[in-house]
Amino acid sequence: DIVMTQSPLSLPVTIGQPASISCRSSQSLVYSDGNFYLNWFHQRPGQSPRRLIYKVSNRDSGVPDRISGSGSGTDFTLKISRVEAEDVGVYYCMQGSHWPWTFGQGTKVEIK
Amino acid sequence: QVQLVESGGGVVQPGGSLRLSCAPSRFTFSDYGIHFHWVRQAPGKGLEWVAFVRYDGADIHYADSVKGRFTFSRDNSKNTLYLQMNSLRAEDTAVYYCAKDDRGSLDYWGQGTLVTVSS
Repeated sequence: DIVMTQSPLSLPVTIGQPASISCRSSQSLVYSDGNFYLNWFHQRPGQSPRRLIYKVSNRDSGVPDRISGSGSGTDFTLKISRVEAEDVGVYYCMQGSHWPWTFGQGTKVEIK
Repeated sequence: QVQLVESGGGVVQPGGSLRLSCAPSRFTFSDYGIHFHWVRQAPGKGLEWVAFVRYDGADIHYADSVKGRFTFSRDNSKNTLYLQMNSLRAEDTAVYYCAKDDRGSLDYWGQGTLVTVSS
């Protein structure tokens, strides 16, 4: 199985400052069609996860452009250019390229 | 807007069985060739992918942790998905989410249903 490793696991941030989360996979996430099915989800306490990013860098509708995804191969990053209060919660990366699909451990973002 | 509604959670003893259901609202999934997944989250823990079923039920995948114990099925005539869970263990305690497949991703999630395995 592909292991997804996120870092850091805890990220205290200051409002207005940037934040970055790394996600590394134990093997390449390239699929047979050439795409990388790497996703990012955000979960607030007591809520279901919400998808933010799919296929590495595609933002979902309603996701602000201060949130972006990048990477390829085995190394991926989620960046928030200017953190806002609504960004608190846990962020998960997930690969959908190879069975079984797997999630990272999660990164908890909180305001300092 | 796609909505997924899970049901069937509850308290069950170790070794027991439970069947979860997921019913999409506002669309008939058999009309669109849509695939689905189950994802679970143990209390205070992260997300764990559990299972996948193709739109026609002909292709199914499971996490190793549930293989041989859980069965994911769908009844297109009832517009309902099922997760039959047998030989339940304490480590199966979790909120179970139904999620819609979006080609290597999960774009819509239900609100989840809590399964507690305890004596």
